[in-house]
Amino acid sequence: EIVLTQSPVTLSLSPGERATLSCRASQSVSSYLAWYQQKSGQAPRLLIYDASNRATGIPARFSGSGSGTDFTLTISSLEPEDFAVYYCQQRSNWPITFGQGTRLEIK
Amino acid sequence: QLQLQESGPGLVKPSETLSLTCTVSGDSISSSGYYRGWIRQPPGKGLEWIGSIYYSGSTSYNPSLKSRVTISVDTSKNQFSLKLSSVTAADTAIYYCARHLTWIDWGQGTLVTVSS
Repeated sequence: EIVLTQSPVTLSLSPGERATLSCRASQSVSSYLAWYQQKSGQAPRLLIYDASNRATGIPARFSGSGSGTDFTLTISSLEPEDFAVYYCQQRSNWPITFGQGTRLEIK
Repeated sequence: QLQLQESGPGLVKPSETLSLTCTVSGDSISSSGYYRGWIRQPPGKGLEWIGSIYYSGSTSYNPSLKSRVTISVDTSKNQFSLKLSSVTAADTAIYYCARHLTWIDWGQGTLVTVSS
């Protein structure tokens, strides 16, 4: 099973600041990595697929990068609605696995 | 527009079988190329993939749950289902049905509590 480790666990920033979230895989997942945003009481929402492709309707301030074992989700300038929990997910190998999540909170 | 809707009992007794159904609209469940599956999230915790079924009928299950899980499809009703046997309190979670290939499309989720 591929283990995804996200860091930091919690990130405290202010609106307007830049957020950098990391996801590290225990073995290569090529570019088969996605990022999701989850707000309280809601299902996760797709942000990025295949490491760097923004999903339909996702603002340009969200970007993804990386390949192999190291991936980054960057939010260039935080908006109030961006404070949520973020998960990475790999589809390279069965079983599908998720990172444990990064909570992005308002400082 | 794809819609996935979970349904089933919100309360299940320990040692019994949890049964959920996902009704799909905006997509034919027999359409090629997609997996249909289930993901769960214990309250306040992270996401765990349970298993998936391919349009051909082949299944993949999380090894940690494999002995207790069955996922099946009813193409006549455009639905797919989850059965999880011998449940305990640790199976209390929000259960999401999903369609996936390159990314996951999610249902809204349904809370299932295991309690006597």
